[in-house]
Amino acid sequence: KQEVTQIPAALSVPEGENLVLNCSFTDSAIYNLQWFRQDPGKGLTSLLLIQSSQREQTSGRLNASLDKSSGRSTLYIAASQPGDSATYLCAVANAGNNRKLIWGLGTSLAVNP
Amino acid sequence: ETGVTQTPRHLVMGMTNKKSLKCEQHLGHNAMYWYKQSAKKPLELMFVYSLEERVENNSVPSRFSPECPNSSHLFLHLHTLQPEDSALYLCASSQDHIGSGQFFGPGTRLTVL
Repeated sequence: KQEVTQIPAALSVPEGENLVLNCSFTDSAIYNLQWFRQDPGKGLTSLLLIQSSQREQTSGRLNASLDKSSGRSTLYIAASQPGDSATYLCAVANAGNNRKLIWGLGTSLAVNP
Repeated sequence: ETGVTQTPRHLVMGMTNKKSLKCEQHLGHNAMYWYKQSAKKPLELMFVYSLEERVENNSVPSRFSPECPNSSHLFLHLHTLQPEDSALYLCASSQDHIGSGQFFGPGTRLTVL
C-alpha cells in the first residue's frame, strides 16, 4: 500500500533563502508525482507534475526532482519570498489501472520578511 | 469564469438539513472528483466521475450523494450530516481519470452544527 510522507511538517525561513521540501513514497511503481500549493482556507494550485520517466521539472523559481528508485522527490524553492508562504502538498499516482492520487500531509512554509 | 469554480464557498448547516455543493469546470476536462480535507489528515478521495459515469466510490457514507449531469458539472448532495463531516470539500477536474494532472477549485468550507 502506497504511503506518502512529507518532511518537515513545518518550516520557517527568512526571506531570500533557498529551501528544499521533501516527499518520500513507499512504492516506487508510480505513474507520476505532483506538487501542489495551498493557501490557508483555499483550494490547491498545481505547481509541477513529474512523469515517472522524468527526473525533474522546473517552473520559475521552483524545481522538482524525482528519484523513483529511492522513493523520493524534492521541491526546491530559490530565493524564497513572503508570498511563498503556504502549505506544499505532494501527491503520487500509482502505476497500474488505479491511478488515484495518494497524498502527503504537507509542509507548512512560512517565509519571514 | 475560468478553471474550476465551487459554490457556495462557506456553508453552515444543521444535522437535519439538506444542502448541495456545486462544482463547475471550464477546462474541457472529462474527469471530475470530490475530495474531503480535514485537519491533520491527508486529502480523502470521495468520488471520481469520468464522462459522467462514476468510476470510484471510496466507501463514502450514503449521506453524501454525488451527481454528475454532464462533464462540466458535479454536485454533492448532503443530508443528515454529522458534526464530524465538517471539513473543506474540494472539487477537482482532469483530462482523464487515469493519471493526468488535477486542477482544483477553491473549496467549500462546511460546518455541521
